[in-house]
Amino acid sequence: EAGVAQSPRYKIIEKRQSVAFWCNPISGHATLYWYQQILGQGPKLLIQFQNNGVVDDSQLPKDRFSAERLKGVDSTLKIQPAKLEDSAVYLCASSSNLLGPTEAFFGQGTRLTVV
Amino acid sequence: DQQVKQNSPSLSVQEGRISILNCDYTNSMFDYFLWYKKYPAEGPTFLISISSIKDKNEDGRFTVFLNKSAKHLSLHIVPSQPGDSAVYFCAASAEYGGATNKLIFGTGTLLAVQP
Repeated sequence: EAGVAQSPRYKIIEKRQSVAFWCNPISGHATLYWYQQILGQGPKLLIQFQNNGVVDDSQLPKDRFSAERLKGVDSTLKIQPAKLEDSAVYLCASSSNLLGPTEAFFGQGTRLTVV
Repeated sequence: DQQVKQNSPSLSVQEGRISILNCDYTNSMFDYFLWYKKYPAEGPTFLISISSIKDKNEDGRFTVFLNKSAKHLSLHIVPSQPGDSAVYFCAASAEYGGATNKLIFGTGTLLAVQP
């Protein structure tokens, strides 16, 4: 079974530029998560999709961050414009949840550096 | 508001001894708890989980204990091996606000197993 795929692995941009991350979840997983992990902290949930609908985006800075999940499969997370404080690893995860709560599977993450 | 807390940022144990990692939570709606392990430059990988209807779950060298009245869970690794050296994240899941399996992570504990 293929895992969660993310790209790119690394990205360096200047502040005020825009950036986009891509995620392909495990086939058949209805739930997709985007997390932000700042160095020394735990993953912080940015947005959660159920199929192609948003079920939680309470911690997404909506003035600069946006995310979509077209056709309930792949997802993109965009930052525009980026700030220095956005430097972090962005993790995508997916889970099945068909029979109740279950573990989420993570991709390798995208390390973003804003300079 | 940190709903899931790991108060020990690091732990060092000798190979062959027991490692005990602790986690506290504040939200009584959490009904499913997970432990993840993370190596540098990789995404978190699922280790073990426990439902709130149980107080113990065991998988090989790993055992998770849940004390609901104290809102506390712990991960025991016996015997500890050098390959167990990683950051361990506690996570809790709840269904609220329309989101199923909303996963909230703690800040992590860095485990170092000394040969």
